[in-house]
Amino acid sequence: GDSVTQMEGPVTLSEEAFLTINCTYTATGYPSLFWYVQYPGEGLQLLLKATKADDKGSNKGFEATYRKETTSFHLEKGSVQVSDSAVYFCALTSGSRLTFGEGTQLTVNP
Amino acid sequence: DAGVIQSPRHEVTEMGQEVTLRCKPISGHNSLFWYRQTMMRGLELLIYFNNNVPIDDSGMPEDRFSAKMPNASFSTLKIQPSEPRDSAVYFCASSPGQGASSGKQYFGPGTRLTVT
Repeated sequence: GDSVTQMEGPVTLSEEAFLTINCTYTATGYPSLFWYVQYPGEGLQLLLKATKADDKGSNKGFEATYRKETTSFHLEKGSVQVSDSAVYFCALTSGSRLTFGEGTQLTVNP
Repeated sequence: DAGVIQSPRHEVTEMGQEVTLRCKPISGHNSLFWYRQTMMRGLELLIYFNNNVPIDDSGMPEDRFSAKMPNASFSTLKIQPSEPRDSAVYFCASSPGQGASSGKQYFGPGTRLTVT
């Protein structure tokens, strides 16, 4: 079945550092890909999405490019802030379900 | 817009008791999802409704779990009898699209359930 694999966390960075969180997927067909973010004590929020190969999703300084050849959707941000501390989930949809990765905890220190 | 509303936010109960979690989706959304989040298993989809009809309940762990959506503005997830391994955060999410195909789901704040 469909699955999403994220880099293991937790990830700890200093403010203004470059962020990469790796995400690879296995799916039949051509899924849409997503990054969701979960701030402490809250539900998940959609951060960005890409619906076809080579699409780039972006929001709040975060970017991810749908790479069909490497089945990847890595999340990047050039300069993280303390307020970016959260858990980040990669996900794909194929049909009626959203399949989430295990989540990566990011902590940004001042 | 009030967002997805869940109640209660926290529930502590003893093993064997019945637990009912409630969800009010965003008005106008026609898809509703129940998820369970634990450290061990991550985020799991339990059941998905479209236009109040259960479409996919393959994630419901066992017969102790049941979910209903009597109308477009209300859904419940019931556990009877509850067990300690049911302890988790339960999220409700709604979507304006059909199923998860649009990918944009709006999550509630969750209900943290502790079964002792």
